[in-house]
Amino acid sequence: DQQVKQNSPSLSVQEGRISILNCDYTNSMFDYFLWYKKYPAEGPTFLISISSIKDKNEDGRFTVFLNKSAKHLSLHIVPSQPGDSAVYFCAASSTSGGSNYKLTFGKGTLLTVNP
Amino acid sequence: ETGVTQSPTHLIKTRGQQVTLRCSSQSGHNTVSWYQQALGQGPQFIFQYYREEENGRGNFPPRFSGLQFPNYSSELNVNALELDDSALYLCASSPYPTGWYGYTFGSGTRLTVV
Repeated sequence: DQQVKQNSPSLSVQEGRISILNCDYTNSMFDYFLWYKKYPAEGPTFLISISSIKDKNEDGRFTVFLNKSAKHLSLHIVPSQPGDSAVYFCAASSTSGGSNYKLTFGKGTLLTVNP
Repeated sequence: ETGVTQSPTHLIKTRGQQVTLRCSSQSGHNTVSWYQQALGQGPQFIFQYYREEENGRGNFPPRFSGLQFPNYSSELNVNALELDDSALYLCASSPYPTGWYGYTFGSGTRLTVV
């Protein structure tokens, strides 16, 4: 039962263009969402998050959009740089209820930014 | 801040054996969570320890157990290893026992069971 889905295993974009990574979730209890970036041989690093009380959050080149009615979020990277090439994980959590201690991750999307 | 360190980085074990993985949490973080990342999958929650007590557990059998020590170090123990236990094991620390606050992950221990 995949509660967080990243349906694109990989994405390739040109340097300077926009990268859009998508994530869908099924659990209505999720109300906080995070994106992590992972380079090979390193642990995931936190990138950006969004609470369900917002529909957009920006941090420099990174913007996350949340569509609660569609249970969909997306991460936009503008402009994309070769150093952004990594696996991006979408993760979800509940801020209330019995499972607020954990994150539920998607399978990840491998982003390749070509020079 | 010293970050999260895990040891060893790689490990090969035989089916049926037992293994202990170690983690040193970021200074001041009294919560540690362990995740298993199988090949091609996202990290899956194993359990969390807060102030040396188990605070939550995922869908993993009892042969996965843990300990957290007062000095911010912790262990993940796996008994009776199975081939499917081959994965990257990630330790993550945080100042609060909530997933939404965000974790600091270590680089992981790559366990291979043969």
